[in-house]
Amino acid sequence: EAQVTQNPRYLITVTGKKLTVTCSQNMNHEYMSWYRQDPGLGLRQIYYSMNVEVTDKGDVPEGYKVSRKEKRNFPLILESPSPNQTSLYFCASIGNRGKTEAFFGQGTRLTVV
Amino acid sequence: QKEVEQNSGPLSVPEGAIASLNCTYSDRGSQSFFWYRQYSGKSPELIMSIYSNGDKEDGRFTAQLNKASQYVSLLIRDSQPSDSATYLCAGASGATNKLIFGTGTLLAVQP
Repeated sequence: EAQVTQNPRYLITVTGKKLTVTCSQNMNHEYMSWYRQDPGLGLRQIYYSMNVEVTDKGDVPEGYKVSRKEKRNFPLILESPSPNQTSLYFCASIGNRGKTEAFFGQGTRLTVV
Repeated sequence: QKEVEQNSGPLSVPEGAIASLNCTYSDRGSQSFFWYRQYSGKSPELIMSIYSNGDKEDGRFTAQLNKASQYVSLLIRDSQPSDSATYLCAGASGATNKLIFGTGTLLAVQP
C-alpha cells in the first residue's frame, strides 16, 4: 500500500529543545516536501527535496532544517524550536513523470511552550 | 508571489444539492491542478486531478479547468453530510513540481 508515514503524531516540547519529525515514503518518489498549516494561512511549504542530497528552501524555511540522505526518508529538524513554530505539519511525497499528485503523511501537531 | 485563491466560506448546501467550489490562480506556468479534501485535524486527501482544459468527471465529482481564465472549479453532485470538509485547490508547475495551495473552502452539507 502506498504510504507516507510521519512520526510523531503529537508533540509538546519546550522552547529551545531540538526535535526531529520523521517522514518516510514507500512509493520511490523523488520529490518530497514539508508543509506547515496554520488557521487562515493554508499550507505553506517549508523545505522540499527533488532527490537524494538535493534540498531547497520553500516559502517559510526560517528555523527549520532538513536532510535527504536516502530517497525514502525526509526528516524535518527544529534545532531550537520557538512558540511561533507551534503548528500542524505535513510531509508530502509527490509523484514523478509530470503527475504532480501529492500524498500526505498523517500530520504532526507540534506545540512549543 | 504566485497564488492560488479560494473563497474561505463556509459554503452551506442542503443534502442532495450540487456544491460548487471555485479557485483562481495567478501563475500561467501552472500545468496541473488538484482538489484535496481535508477533514478537521486530518491530512489532505487527493480527490481530483486535472491537467487539460475542460471537464473531468469521477463519480459525484467533476473538475473543470479553464486555463485562459485561470480558473478551476469542483462540482460535487448529490452532496452528502460526509462531504462536509475543507476543500483545498492546488496548482503545480510542471518544471518544478512545486504545489501552491489555496487556503481552502469550508463546505457544510446540511442534512
